Amino acid sequence: EVQLVESGGGSVQAGRSLRLSCAASGFTFDDYAMHWVRQAPGKGLEWVSGISWNSGIIGYADSVKGRITISRDNAKNSLYLQMNSLRAEDTALYYCAKGITMVRGGLDIWGQGTMVTVSS
Amino acid sequence: QSALPQPASVSGSPGQSITISCTGTSSDVGSYILVSWYQQHPGKAPKLMIYEGDKRPSGVSYRFSGSQSGNTASLRISGLQAEDEADYYCCSYAGSGTEVFGTGTKVTV
Repeated sequence: EVQLVESGGGSVQAGRSLRLSCAASGFTFDDYAMHWVRQAPGKGLEWVSGISWNSGIIGYADSVKGRITISRDNAKNSLYLQMNSLRAEDTALYYCAKGITMVRGGLDIWGQGTMVTVSS
Repeated sequence: QSALPQPASVSGSPGQSITISCTGTSSDVGSYILVSWYQQHPGKAPKLMIYEGDKRPSGVSYRFSGSQSGNTASLRISGLQAEDEADYYCCSYAGSGTEVFGTGTKVTV
């Protein structure tokens, strides 16, 4: 079964750091791009960051650039999101999502998300 | 990287067809045939309905179709059913490894 399981969320104070993880199974992880997408409570989807199959292409949303680092470990079938200098506006459910190709395109598999709450 | 404007809500009766628009710019929708559409029911993870403008993933009903023209992308749902009631989001590649989602549209059946 194709599956993505996020972990690492929690409640933190503004200015602190958090590292999210996403464990992938059921597909050849290093054949696909991976992404993080977040959704603040009651709000729409916001793309946060994406990484190509070989980490050669990495992108960040302007809202998180300079504070967040995406990475992947293909040997461990895992995706990560290092979040620093957290702000109240980073409070959201963070989804890990699999790209439909090696580099870009739709996101065809989603995890159930991990909640991050930042208090000021 | 502003969210792509979508109508806040669209409604239709069972059996009818509706179309949701997604307005981009020459930097995203207008430059790449890489618009995808997602359906999200309350409390659930999003589901990919259309990718690369007009392609349907395996398992997605033929009632869903996508198109792109200029800076605008559209999602059409034909033969509207009660289960189609959900939030719908477009998403476009915007260059340099970035993506941008639309503002979302609530579909009421």
